[in-house]
Amino acid sequence: GAGVSQSPSNKVTEKGKDVELRCDPISGHTALYWYRQRLGQGLEFLIYFQGNSAPDKSGLPSDRFSAERTGESVSTLTIQRTQQEDSAVYLCASSLSRREQFFGPGTRLTVL
Amino acid sequence: TQLLEQSPQFLSIQEGENLTVYCNSSSVFSSLQWYRQEPGEGPVLLVTVVTGGEVKKLKRLTFQFGDARKDSSLHITAAQPGDTGLYLCAGETSGSRLTFGEGTQLTVNP
Repeated sequence: GAGVSQSPSNKVTEKGKDVELRCDPISGHTALYWYRQRLGQGLEFLIYFQGNSAPDKSGLPSDRFSAERTGESVSTLTIQRTQQEDSAVYLCASSLSRREQFFGPGTRLTVL
Repeated sequence: TQLLEQSPQFLSIQEGENLTVYCNSSSVFSSLQWYRQEPGEGPVLLVTVVTGGEVKKLKRLTFQFGDARKDSSLHITAAQPGDTGLYLCAGETSGSRLTFGEGTQLTVNP
């Protein structure tokens, strides 16, 4: 595709349910990042994948959060037992070079 | 720990005015990026500055990287309503990670 795509665009769930968010990076981009953005705030780093290297998970806020990436393609961010504090926009970005990241439109998660 | 502080947090100005947004840190970054984000979309890269003291211009936007590579500024000349958006600075740290500031929400009124 032409850019990074994310699905769903919006997700409303009940507290305690699990959710899966998907990211399709730009073809050929070796690096993939997940960020969380609370309303009106900057981006909070969650996790970073680079090729076949072990992912940098240092930004994951709790063990309820996990992410996987198959090769250099799709990534899935999973949040288990969602809490209201998890409500935010989850952004995915991919890159080829170290310095330019291309962002998807995000998934807006609302936990009731 | 918030490594990058942006100011002001909110800015509302009239079309044609000039403005400056600041991004400050106590940390040294190997590079610093500025992004603009519009509602419902992801951030879009505007510029990357790498060298201390570097100045880059993008039409009416001027970006400067501090000599010590700890701070940066974005100056917009003759702002237009199309400049409205959330401006984010991001510093590159080790391991290709970006640390983002909290953003400056700019509104340019016609």
